[in-house]
Amino acid sequence: QKEVEQDPGPLSVPEGAIVSLNCTYSNSAFQYFMWYRQYSRKGPELLMYTYSSGNKEDGRFTAQVDKSSKYISLFIRDSQPSDSATYLCAIGSGGSNYKLTFGKGTLLTVNP
Amino acid sequence: DVKVTQSSRYLVKRTGEKVFLECVQDMDHENMFWYRQDPGLGLRLIYFSYDVKMKEKGDIPEGYSVSREKKERFSLILESASTNQTSMYLCASRSPGGTAHQPQHFGDGTRLSIL
Repeated sequence: QKEVEQDPGPLSVPEGAIVSLNCTYSNSAFQYFMWYRQYSRKGPELLMYTYSSGNKEDGRFTAQVDKSSKYISLFIRDSQPSDSATYLCAIGSGGSNYKLTFGKGTLLTVNP
Repeated sequence: DVKVTQSSRYLVKRTGEKVFLECVQDMDHENMFWYRQDPGLGLRLIYFSYDVKMKEKGDIPEGYSVSREKKERFSLILESASTNQTSMYLCASRSPGGTAHQPQHFGDGTRLSIL
């Protein structure tokens, strides 16, 4: 079983739709959860970071973590064409372990 | 804002050449990373450095080496470039940040083609 699984999509939605992006993970030692957004021909940029179960909201974006199910989600409300990008989940176990484990990314297109 | 700068956006080299990719960060971060990103394979860690002159192999170090002589600069070296090293290379940095796992901050990548 892979450590982090992410549906690669592609996902295509109309402008204004609610988007749900998801990752599952297998290692219960994972404690820190991030979502990165990567535009075409650019590097990943940090979008959301959380380390506890529950929801974290930032504008139109909500990150949700369910540690009991080993499941994380990113919701985008009122999606815009400028949200079109690849979204990567990344998970870390913390402490002295420097490594992040990345999902392979979901390509999202928001159509005007 | 954290700034991670990679010296080249696009690079074309020939097989057998020694290739240097440079990365500079301006936030005094101890940790720096080199990844490659390929379609269908995602981000794969090549090497990381947790401090000056310190390095550890990542998941795919074969054919690569690194150098970290100054805190702000981390170089990736392809000793003898091969066509299977054609890829997008991404540099990242982070601060160890005590007990919290600090997120990594990425540069915009170098798209390297080996002919």
